Amino acid sequence: DAGVIQSPRHEVTEMGQEVTLRCKPISGHDYLFWYRQTMMRGLELLIYFNNNVPIDDSGMPEDRFSAKMPNASFSTLKIQPSEPRDSAVYFCASRQKGDMGDTGELFFGEGSRLTVL
Amino acid sequence: GESVGLHLPTLSVQEGDNSIINCAYSNSASDYFIWYKQESGKGPQFIIDIRSNMDKRQGQRVTVLLNKTVKHLSLQIAATQPGDSAVYFCAETPHGKLSFGAGTTVTVRA
Repeated sequence: DAGVIQSPRHEVTEMGQEVTLRCKPISGHDYLFWYRQTMMRGLELLIYFNNNVPIDDSGMPEDRFSAKMPNASFSTLKIQPSEPRDSAVYFCASRQKGDMGDTGELFFGEGSRLTVL
Repeated sequence: GESVGLHLPTLSVQEGDNSIINCAYSNSASDYFIWYKQESGKGPQFIIDIRSNMDKRQGQRVTVLLNKTVKHLSLQIAATQPGDSAVYFCAETPHGKLSFGAGTTVTVRA
């Protein structure tokens, strides 16, 4: 299996521009997660989906952020308009439904490094 | 609010020695814990997990210890190798939503 695939790996954009990050989870995984990683705040959960349905988006910073999962093999995280403070590495992760219902190993992608100037 | 934290941000270890990385958690409802390793420029990678009904679990060169009384988790790495240099995160979940600690940077000295 190719693992979780994210694109782009690096994105540099100017403040005010729209940014779209893409993720292809591992085939057969029921859950998809978007995390953001910065030096100051570490790894923060933004949103997660179960069977393509958003379950918890309480970590999404503000209305400028939106995420979609139109099908089981694709998800997007969009920032519009982008701001310098959005600069971070954004990770997508997926997992199967765990043996005990809600647990199980998360498989992470390589991340998308976003720089907003 | 609830949080997962680490005792030390950095750890320097001589190659061949054993490493111990500690983690404190505060959510008493957490019932599942995972250790992840993150190498530079890569995503976190699963190392080992443990459920709250256990106090010890061993893997290949790694052991995780859980002390629910004091809400403490540790990762022991035996015979540390240069390839073990990375940032190590503990993560907890009460309901499938993983919360990560700040991370400990482990540097292995040759």
